[in-house]
Amino acid sequence: DSGVTQTPKHLITATGQRVTLRCSPRSGDLSVYWYQQSLDQGLQFLIQYYNGEERAKGNILERFSAQQFPDLHSELNLSSLELGDSALYFCASSVGGKGYTGELFFGEGSRLTVL
Amino acid sequence: SQELEQSPQSLIVQEGKNLTINCTSSKTLYGLYWYKQKYGEGLIFLMMLQKGGEEKSHEKITAKLDEKKQQSSLHITASQPSHAGIYLCGADRTWDSNYQLIWGAGTKLIIKP
Repeated sequence: DSGVTQTPKHLITATGQRVTLRCSPRSGDLSVYWYQQSLDQGLQFLIQYYNGEERAKGNILERFSAQQFPDLHSELNLSSLELGDSALYFCASSVGGKGYTGELFFGEGSRLTVL
Repeated sequence: SQELEQSPQSLIVQEGKNLTINCTSSKTLYGLYWYKQKYGEGLIFLMMLQKGGEEKSHEKITAKLDEKKQQSSLHITASQPSHAGIYLCGADRTWDSNYQLIWGAGTKLIIKP
């Protein structure tokens, strides 16, 4: 058990819809990362938050947004969903801070299927 | 092509045999990480290498970093069914004023009993 909790584990929805994925980081971790994993693209960095502030943006689409709340949990919002958004979405947490990434603790992921 | 190339893409090994997975970077390596993923589950950290020539071991898994070749190798000795899964390497890349991980495509390891 990594200590990182993601909900929901599975989600099936239709094109054009909007979903919210939730992540509770490991106790004491200030950094939260969101990744997308698909068969064709592999594991792609979407966005990172550190102590409530956005720290870095990766390959995140404009239709996607995220935030980290004062209690440090994070939500990833995906809107106007397309078939190609079907993927496994991971949240990971770390102590954070500047410098190398260091060890990340991953949740079990939220599998999104868009029909 | 990917910045981080992993080879082989997949591997079927008889239980008890040794194996090696490679990860080659097209750019200078700073931090290099190895993670293991079981199908449909989250990634589990194995080890991080930072310095050229560095070698780390975790149970029967050993990883080395060759800074000159910009390559890391992961070696499993006397493989067991518990070693089956997908092994991913990740590398720190400068991103804005910090670092983020980029990832290899993964190596799928199957252990035959």
